[in-house]
Amino acid sequence: DVKVTQSSRYLVKRTGEKVFLECVQDMDHENMFWYRQDPGLGLRLIYFSYDVKMKEKGDIPEGYSVSREKKERFSLILESASTNQTSMYLCASSFHTGAGEKLFFGSGTQLSVL
Amino acid sequence: QKEVEQNSGPLSVPEGAIASLNCTYSDRGSQSFFWYRQYSGKSPELIMFIYSNGDKEDGRFTAQLNKASQYVSLLIRDSQPSDSATYLCAVNMMDSSYKLIFGSGTRLLVRP
Repeated sequence: DVKVTQSSRYLVKRTGEKVFLECVQDMDHENMFWYRQDPGLGLRLIYFSYDVKMKEKGDIPEGYSVSREKKERFSLILESASTNQTSMYLCASSFHTGAGEKLFFGSGTQLSVL
Repeated sequence: QKEVEQNSGPLSVPEGAIASLNCTYSDRGSQSFFWYRQYSGKSPELIMFIYSNGDKEDGRFTAQLNKASQYVSLLIRDSQPSDSATYLCAVNMMDSSYKLIFGSGTRLLVRP
């Protein structure tokens, strides 16, 4: 079975803290993604990685960075958390079908920044 | 204009009816189209994908693609209360095969 594991289901942090969100996949997928999901805005891509140590900005990278030191692990870093980063964060991994990416999602991390 | 648009709903249908969910997209060069189902409090799961014009059937689900009109739809036959969820349309953008753009989703309610 496909498995994408996010380290925390719920997280509460204070403004200005550095926050790490961890994601691990066991499917040997090349590609990994971080999205955030907000009511009425849908899923928005923050960053993705198509190989170890490779990363590309998505649509809303400001205030975030990522790290991919190993194929199975993709970390999202909030350098200095702000209240507008309160959101549901979803990690995904994918394989390329030749006709597009099939994404498999983790269970999500609900982050609250106070 | 949003790149992928969906009516937010809720779309309410009686049990046993056909539910029709629609999605339009702006990038004419888009090649691949996906439907994800998301139950409340859960993460999205892939239920269908399509990349050729026409229909693709999988059990009670049919995906329909019309590239000329830039829309993709999902039909759910014999709707069940367990189909009540938010359905997300996602499109691969032509400029990046890695990048999926999601619509904001349509909430479906199936009344027993």
